[in-house]
Amino acid sequence: GAVVSQHPSWVICKSGTSVKIECRSLDFQATTMFWYRQFPKQSLMLMATSNEGSKATYEQGVEKDKFLINHASLTLSTLTVTSAHPEDSSFYICSAPTRGASGRGEQYFGPGTRLTVT
Amino acid sequence: AQRVTQPEKLLSVFKGAPVELKCNYSYSGSPELFWYVQYSRQRLQLLLRHISRESIKGFTADLNKGETSFHLKKPFAQEEDSAMYYCALSGSGGYQKVTFGTGTKLQVIP
Repeated sequence: GAVVSQHPSWVICKSGTSVKIECRSLDFQATTMFWYRQFPKQSLMLMATSNEGSKATYEQGVEKDKFLINHASLTLSTLTVTSAHPEDSSFYICSAPTRGASGRGEQYFGPGTRLTVT
Repeated sequence: AQRVTQPEKLLSVFKGAPVELKCNYSYSGSPELFWYVQYSRQRLQLLLRHISRESIKGFTADLNKGETSFHLKKPFAQEEDSAMYYCALSGSGGYQKVTFGTGTKLQVIP
């Protein structure tokens, strides 16, 4: 099946610095990708929809200036957490849709990136 | 607003016992409903979707529009079923953003 990768898998950064997380579709092209955030023992909360060649669409309550999304190619979306604070520490997961084995559209998820801000 | 509710955080059953994970939803229009599963140390993956009407790994789920429910069932639980299960919905087609429930951890006791 389709594969989505994320890099890095784990990152530690200091407060006030920025960190970039990459999401790649390895064997398919994706004009749209999705970024989620998952707190410990909680569900996935959609942060934004990444659109290739255009601006991302952010969910209500998500600061677009803090969580910068760039979808520069059909296989890569990046999420940059700017001026990171300890409360940004979380598990960030991306997904990309493509046609699945059933012939229908299906979301494929990356393995996630654990961000720890000290 | 679209919402998915999973009332149970943890469900423990004995091996061989029936399993039912509950899910209720609210959505304006005709959503597509899914169950995703996350095994320990693995990424989230699609288990089944209501449109397919199929049984995957012995699991089935029927969409009840009247009760706005999409409960996941399996007649005989296996140890390998232990995982985190998320009910989710999106617009039709499978290419749109997904709204997840809070998840239910299924623990199958040997």
